[in-house]
Amino acid sequence: SQQGEEDPQALSIQEGENATMNCSYKTSINNLQWYRQNSGRGLVHLILIRSNEREKHSGRLRVTLDTSKKSSSLLITASRAADTASYFCATDAYAGGTSYGKLTFGQGTILTVHP
Amino acid sequence: NAGVTQTPKFQVLKTGQSMTLQCAQDMNHEYMSWYRQDPGMGLRLIHYSVGAGITDQGEVPNGYNVSRSTTEDFPLRLLSAAPSQTSVYFCASNRRGAQEKLFFGSGTQLSVL
Repeated sequence: SQQGEEDPQALSIQEGENATMNCSYKTSINNLQWYRQNSGRGLVHLILIRSNEREKHSGRLRVTLDTSKKSSSLLITASRAADTASYFCATDAYAGGTSYGKLTFGQGTILTVHP
Repeated sequence: NAGVTQTPKFQVLKTGQSMTLQCAQDMNHEYMSWYRQDPGMGLRLIHYSVGAGITDQGEVPNGYNVSRSTTEDFPLRLLSAAPSQTSVYFCASNRRGAQEKLFFGSGTQLSVL
C-alpha cells in the first residue's frame, strides 16, 4: 500500500516561478525524504527532514514537515527549465531508529518548467 | 566511484522465462534494496538486504528471489516471468545508520510478453 499521496499530480509553471509540491502520509515516521527523477533515469536524493524538524533548507529547496497533520511540502524557488522532472516523497517509518532502506514512496509530482 | 550499477538497461522476456537483474555498488554500503516502479504507483519495495547472507521481503516479493553473497552484489531473480512483472526495476543502496538516504541505480526496463 502507498504511504504517501502527493499533489498535485502534475504542475506546469514558467521559469522563475516557485513550485510547491505536497505530500501526505499515514503512519508515524522517523524521517521524510524527497527525491527527484529525470525522465528515464534513477532517483536522486534531494533532502531529508527528521521527524523532530519542522523546516529545512538546501539551496533553492525548502521542505516543511507537519507531523500533526502527517504532511510535508517541497518548495523550489526561482525554478529553472532544468528543474523539469518528477519529484517523489518517501517516508522512513521504521521504529527502531535505523533505516534499512525500507522507504515508502508517494506517487510523485511531474513538474514541467517552461523556459 | 561508479555508485550503483544495474544491468541490463532493457530486457524483453516471454512469459515463463527466467532471468537475473544484476546490481552492484562500490560504496561499501551495508544495505541494498530492490524497488519496482509502475505508472501511477510510485516505487514499491520488493526485497532488501542488511548485509551479506541476510535478506528479507518487502511489500511485493512474490515472483522474485534474491541472495546476497557479497557486500557489493545484490541480484534479483525472476524464476518464471509473468506479464504483471512488466515494470522498471531500481536497485538502491545506503549506509548503515540512522536515517540515511538511498543511492539508486539507473534502472532496468523489463517487458514480459
